[in-house]
This record gives sequence, structure tokens and C-alpha cells, in this order.
Amino acid sequence: GENVEQHPSTLSVQEGDSAVIKCTYSDSASNYFPWYKQELGKGPQLIIDIRSNVGEKKDQRIAVTLNKTAKHFSLHITETQPEDSAVYFCAASSGGTGANNLFFGTGTRLTVIP
Amino acid sequence: ETGVTQSPTHLIKTRGQQVTLRCSSQSGHNTVSWYQQALGQGPQFIFQYYREEENGRGNFPPRFSGLQFPNYSSELNVNALELDDSALYLCASSLQGAREKLFFGSGTQLSVL
Repeated sequence: GENVEQHPSTLSVQEGDSAVIKCTYSDSASNYFPWYKQELGKGPQLIIDIRSNVGEKKDQRIAVTLNKTAKHFSLHITETQPEDSAVYFCAASSGGTGANNLFFGTGTRLTVIP
Repeated sequence: ETGVTQSPTHLIKTRGQQVTLRCSSQSGHNTVSWYQQALGQGPQFIFQYYREEENGRGNFPPRFSGLQFPNYSSELNVNALELDDSALYLCASSLQGAREKLFFGSGTQLSVL
């Protein structure tokens, strides 16, 4: 099955700086890579996603890059704000028939210091 | 647009008991997935339901079972609870045409004593 690894496990940045979280996956059939933000006491919230036919996607201060050859993808947050503080999860899905379930990384706790 | 709602928010059970968790999917979504999130870990896939039938299952024993109703709401049932079942149980809904694009509820925190 798919195995998703995520680094770092914790990340502290000063407000206004950039944050980068990296993930690797093992199954070359995976073709969908979402990122979720989870705040305390809440469920994961989808913040951005990318499919394997695209190398980069941007949404305001958030961007995701995908390197299919190396099987890794990254989340970039620019101009960080205190409200960006949360746990971020990457995930991968192989698509096809069936459930298309997501395999999640172990999460990165991001702290933005005012 | 109504999001995914789960009930109850918190639950305490003792080992050996049975529990039922409930989920209402986001308006217009016909597919429901359940995930288990242990403390400090990412969510793990339990199973998915579409058209009231199980559409895929993760590595969980048969004492984890589910239902989906005609209105797309769903239940997760766990029999013979074990201490390791203590976790946050997340329900997510999606559209059949994009089953992997999940929208999660806030979860049910289950504690097994």
C-alpha cells in the first residue's frame, strides 16, 4: 500500500516569514495530493490540492509543488500569520476504482510567532 | 451549504461495550468515508460508503461496521471496544465523481476506559 512520510514534525517561524512542509510517497500510481489544516478541536480542512498532471498550484499565500519523478510534494506558505498556526497534513490517493481513500502523513505542527 | 456534522462530539465507554457514531454528509454529497485519528497521528481510512454499500475498506477488523442511509447520512458501529480504539473518529463526505476530495466533520472523540 501507499506510504506517505512528512517532514518536519514541528516548525516555528516568525510572522511574515515563509514555511515549507515536505512529503514523500511510495506508490507511483498515486495521482491526487491534498493538503489539510487541522486546528485544535476541529476536523481537517482542505486548503489546497494538486493532481499528478500539474507541477505547481497556487492559491493566494499557499502553493503546492509536485515532483512525480522523485515522488515528493511540498506545501509553501508565504507571509505567514498567527492564524496559520495549526497542524498540517499531506495525503496521497491512487485514484482508479474503489474508495480512492487518502493515505495521510503524520502531520506538521506549525507555530507562527507574532 | 451545510457542512459535515457528527454526533456526539465526545463519548466515554468501557472496554467490551459497543458504540454508534453518527454523521450527516455535506449537502449534495453522496459518498461518506470514516477515518480514525489516534493522538498525534494522521487519519487512517476505515471504510467508505456509496449508494448504501461499502465501497472500500482499510485495515480494520470486522467489529468496525457501518451503514449509509438513503439520505446519505451514515453510522459507524464498533463492537467489543478495546482500549486502543480510543481516538478521534472523523467522517468525511465527497461527491462520487471526486471521491478522494474529502470534506471532514469535526469528529467524535471516543475514550475507552
